[in-house]
Amino acid sequence: GIQVEQSPPDLILQEGANSTLRCNFSDSVNNLQWFHQNPWGQLINLFYIPSGTKQNGRLSATTVATERYSLLYISSSQTTDSGVYFCAVDMRFGAGTRLTVKP
Amino acid sequence: NAGVTQTPKFQVLKTGQSMTLQCAQDMNHNSMYWYRQDPGMGLRLIYYSASEGTTDKGEVPNGYNVSRLNKREFSLRLESAAPSQTSVYFCASRWGALETQYFGPGTRLLVL
Repeated sequence: GIQVEQSPPDLILQEGANSTLRCNFSDSVNNLQWFHQNPWGQLINLFYIPSGTKQNGRLSATTVATERYSLLYISSSQTTDSGVYFCAVDMRFGAGTRLTVKP
Repeated sequence: NAGVTQTPKFQVLKTGQSMTLQCAQDMNHNSMYWYRQDPGMGLRLIYYSASEGTTDKGEVPNGYNVSRLNKREFSLRLESAAPSQTSVYFCASRWGALETQYFGPGTRLLVL
């Protein structure tokens, strides 16, 4: 089956910093989503992005399907951005990036 | 709209007991999914139902059964619970394979 790898596994930022999270996948993709799991365990949809670029406020995502990777950009990070960010490709999840934003 | 709802929120079982986790969605979605999440890991697919009347195995189906009761409801059954099934279980739904997937709040299961 498809393999999904996320990097880095952990990321610690000061409030206001920018960050880039990466998702590599091993095969062609039909669908790709980014999720944020907050400290209470809730999974929140961020982007459905099998290809191209999308932006939503301080967050944006780019998927280059031909090169089998997706990037999630977080600008001007806030403490509420803390949690785990997951990439999911065709029902297969990566292990996630744990983001901690310090005030 | 309530979205995707799951019951119960939390359950403790003894080894060998059985239980059914319930999931319902009110978004008229065709596809429904059951995942488990173990500590420090991503979600793994247990079973899914691409449409009413169909079910298929995912990555980790052993020890589980599912029923797509109707378009709205998709249940997950543990016939004889084992400590290895201690996990958080998430239900999800979406309109089709090329659409956004929406998740329920999860059920925390502890098997002693």
